[in-house]
Amino acid sequence: AQSVTQLDSQVPVFEEAPVELRCNYSSSVSVYLFWYVQYPNQGLQLLLKYLSGSTLVKGINGFEAEFNKSQTSFHLRKPSVHISDTAEYFCAVSSSGSARQLTFGSGTQLTVLP
Amino acid sequence: SQTIHQWPATLVQPVGSPLSLECTVEGTSNPNLYWYRQAAGRGLQLLFYSVGIGQISSEVPQNLSASRPQDRQFILSSKKLLLSDSGFYLCAWSHGSGANVLTFGAGSRLTVL
Repeated sequence: AQSVTQLDSQVPVFEEAPVELRCNYSSSVSVYLFWYVQYPNQGLQLLLKYLSGSTLVKGINGFEAEFNKSQTSFHLRKPSVHISDTAEYFCAVSSSGSARQLTFGSGTQLTVLP
Repeated sequence: SQTIHQWPATLVQPVGSPLSLECTVEGTSNPNLYWYRQAAGRGLQLLFYSVGIGQISSEVPQNLSASRPQDRQFILSSKKLLLSDSGFYLCAWSHGSGANVLTFGAGSRLTVL
């Protein structure tokens, strides 16, 4: 069985400050890892994904994440946030090649303050 | 390019009334289709999954059903809504092969009164 824990339900941060959204997973086999973003009253949009290869993954809107196998983590980072980054962020994990087996975390609400 | 449409965007229904949410995908063929429900602070729960016309897998027991009458059409239904059916429903699609990437619709917010 696999699971995802997003350690922070809410993260407030001032504009132009750096941010890290934490994600830890558990799985007994190799994993595929994802971050999705959801703006208010919209669907989810893929930010970035780790399938294999380099552990540092770059995504859209200046976000990046690092896969750390020993710590079973996939934290999302951005060096300088904008007001427009205010949204909910979901980490997801799958141990297979099927989206059917995707497990989502409970989400982290990022609020960027002026 | 592929697009996914979901409607209605919002819906207010009385308890005991029927439900129909529709989702269509354009620009691809034989997609895998999904219905998720999102509850506040609880992430996404997969409700139904389909790999082809008429092929529906239910992930959790519930008051809802799904149908896929055409390759790129996925419908979520209920004969009699319960208060607990209120929530934000998301349709999504992925390719039939390859790794896991889901593309979501804009969602449908259902309020059952």
